[in-house]
Amino acid sequence: AQSVAQPEDQVNVAEGNPLTVKCTYSVSGNPYLFWYVQYPNRGLQFLLKYITGDNLVKGSYGFEAEFNKSQTSFHLKKPSALVSDSALYFCAVRAPGGTYKYIFGTGTRLKVLA
Amino acid sequence: KAGVTQTPRYLIKTRGQQVTLSCSPISGHRSVSWYQQTPGQGLQFLFEYFSETQRNKGNFPGRFSGRQFSNSRSEMNVSTLELGDSALYLCASSSSQGYGTEAFFGQGTRLTVV
Repeated sequence: AQSVAQPEDQVNVAEGNPLTVKCTYSVSGNPYLFWYVQYPNRGLQFLLKYITGDNLVKGSYGFEAEFNKSQTSFHLKKPSALVSDSALYFCAVRAPGGTYKYIFGTGTRLKVLA
Repeated sequence: KAGVTQTPRYLIKTRGQQVTLSCSPISGHRSVSWYQQTPGQGLQFLFEYFSETQRNKGNFPGRFSGRQFSNSRSEMNVSTLELGDSALYLCASSSSQGYGTEAFFGQGTRLTVV
């Protein structure tokens, strides 16, 4: 069965420090991986995706993610966190050959401390 | 370009009633998906429509139904509401049905069943 795991419910980081939000996946075949962010009382905003090619993907608002096939991971990173980055982050996967639905992780709440 | 619009934003209904939620996708997008978000279950896929055809359906009871119109607007209906149906319902649209095509989400409709 396809699944996505976000092992940390919450990540705290000081403003200006680098941040990492972890995601691992389990799918058959080559995955299509996505990161979304959700601010309070809002929908999900697309940050970035990995389809194929370079393992380091750059996205919106200075975020990037590294695809690691051997570790089946797709961790979200940012070199310098901002207080405004505080939000709920979701990792999602689609597996070719299956339905087009996203399989989402449980979400990680990022709190950036001033 | 206008984003995905969901109406209404908030809804309070009584157990046993039915409700209809509306979603207007981004202009030109023909794929519309619906997700239910709850604190306990996270983000769960409800259905996906493409050019007025339901292509995929999640594991929800038959009380949950949907449709898509020729202008790509979509509605979902929940009949005989239960307390457990209280959730944020999110609609997402995509420009195509490719696995690597990101979806854009609306702000959601928060349904409270009392």
